[in-house]
Amino acid sequence: GNSVTQMEGPVTLSEEAFLTINCTYTATGYPSLFWYVQYPGEGLQLLLKATKADDKGSNKGFEATYRKETTSFHLEKGSVQVSDSAVYFCALRVTGANSKLTFGKGITLSVRP
Amino acid sequence: DVKVTQSSRYLVKRTGEKVFLECVQDMDHENMFWYRQDPGLGLRLIYFSYDVKMKEKGDIPEGYSVSREKKERFSLILESASTNQTSMYLCASSITGGMNQPQHFGDGTRLSIL
Repeated sequence: GNSVTQMEGPVTLSEEAFLTINCTYTATGYPSLFWYVQYPGEGLQLLLKATKADDKGSNKGFEATYRKETTSFHLEKGSVQVSDSAVYFCALRVTGANSKLTFGKGITLSVRP
Repeated sequence: DVKVTQSSRYLVKRTGEKVFLECVQDMDHENMFWYRQDPGLGLRLIYFSYDVKMKEKGDIPEGYSVSREKKERFSLILESASTNQTSMYLCASSITGGMNQPQHFGDGTRLSIL
C-alpha cells in the first residue's frame, strides 16, 4: 500500500536556524508529493508540491526535492522565523486514487525568538 | 480563492446523540473529503465523495456516514456519538483532473463527546 513516514517531533529551533524535516514514502505507482502546513487554529494549506523525480517544490523560503532513488521528500528552510511555527504534513497521491491523499503523522515545529 | 467552510469551529455533544457536521465549498469542486485529526496519528480519511450522491469509504468509516445531495455540500454524520469520536474534523475539496491538484481545507471542527 501507500504510506508516508515523517521524523518524530516536536522540533524546537531558534529564529534563523536551518530546518530539515524528513519525509520518506512507499507507493504503489508513481506518486505526486506534497507538503501541507497547519498554522494554529486553522486548517491545512498547501505549502509546496512536486510531481516527478528531481522536481523541486518551493514556497515561502521552503524547499523540497523529489528523490525517487531514496523515496524521500525532505523539507528544508535556510532561516526559520517565529511565524513558521506550525504543524507540517508530508503527503502523497498516486494515479487512479480518486484524488485521495495519504498523509504522514505530522510534525510540530516551534521557533523561539 | 477557494473557500471551504465548516459550519462550527467547536461543538459539544453527548454520548448517543446523532451529530451532523456540515461542509460547504464555493469552487464547484467535484471531490470532497472528511478527515479526523488526532495527536500522534495525523490525518485519517473517513469518507470521500467524487460526485453528487456518490461516496466511498476511507480508512476509518466505522461509526460514520456521509451525505452529498448537492455538489457544494458534504455532510458527516455520527449516527450515535461515542467518546472515542472526540476529535478535530477537517473537510477538504479538490478539482478532478491531474495528480497535482491540491486539496483545499476548511478550518476544522473540534468536536467533544461527553
